[in-house]
Amino acid sequence: AQTVTQSQPEMSVQEAETVTLSCTYDTSESDYYLFWYKQPPSRQMILVIRQEAYKQQNATENRFSVNFQKAAKSFSLKISDSQLGDAAMYFCAYRNPEETSGSRLTFGEGTQLTVNP
Amino acid sequence: DGGITQSPKYLFRKEGQNVTLSCEQNLNHDAMYWYRQDPGQGLRLIYYSQIVNDFQKGDIAEGYSVSREKKESFPLTVTSAQKNPTAFYLCASSIPSPSNQPQHFGDGTRLSIL
Repeated sequence: AQTVTQSQPEMSVQEAETVTLSCTYDTSESDYYLFWYKQPPSRQMILVIRQEAYKQQNATENRFSVNFQKAAKSFSLKISDSQLGDAAMYFCAYRNPEETSGSRLTFGEGTQLTVNP
Repeated sequence: DGGITQSPKYLFRKEGQNVTLSCEQNLNHDAMYWYRQDPGQGLRLIYYSQIVNDFQKGDIAEGYSVSREKKESFPLTVTSAQKNPTAFYLCASSIPSPSNQPQHFGDGTRLSIL
């Protein structure tokens, strides 16, 4: 079974600074998908960014980018120019593309990000 | 706007009682999921369904049951056999695998014991 590990339960960053959240995963598959979700105090789950394992290029979405290291099974999230609205719980998630698994997601434990003004 | 609607937002259960959490989606997604979230933990999969009239157990299915009679609806029943039901429950839907499309989530239901 796949596992996802987020080793930083809490992180903090100053407004306008850059912060990196770590995520590692364990899988024997060569093709899969990785996601970062954000959960603000409202408890909504919001997709931040996604990465296909077969793509070597790191995904970027505005101020959010990833550092995907396939050999190391590492998928970190970098938030640039941090804003107060970025404060949330961030979850890393893995999805196996096998059809029999029903595109189920495996989540990490989460990292609580605080943004200080 | 398309989306996922979960109801109720808050739910209280008495000892020995079964309760049902509603999840409806109008995204025309085939696959639907139920997750449980406990404080300080990530989401854990309870049940999922890839198609109408079919569903599979996730990692923590004991004490829960589901049905999938319509594409739009995937209700979750928390039975009296679930001894620790207090948690936040999230429903999600997606285009089924293989796809890089993400799962879309509802706003959740918070279940507590009276």
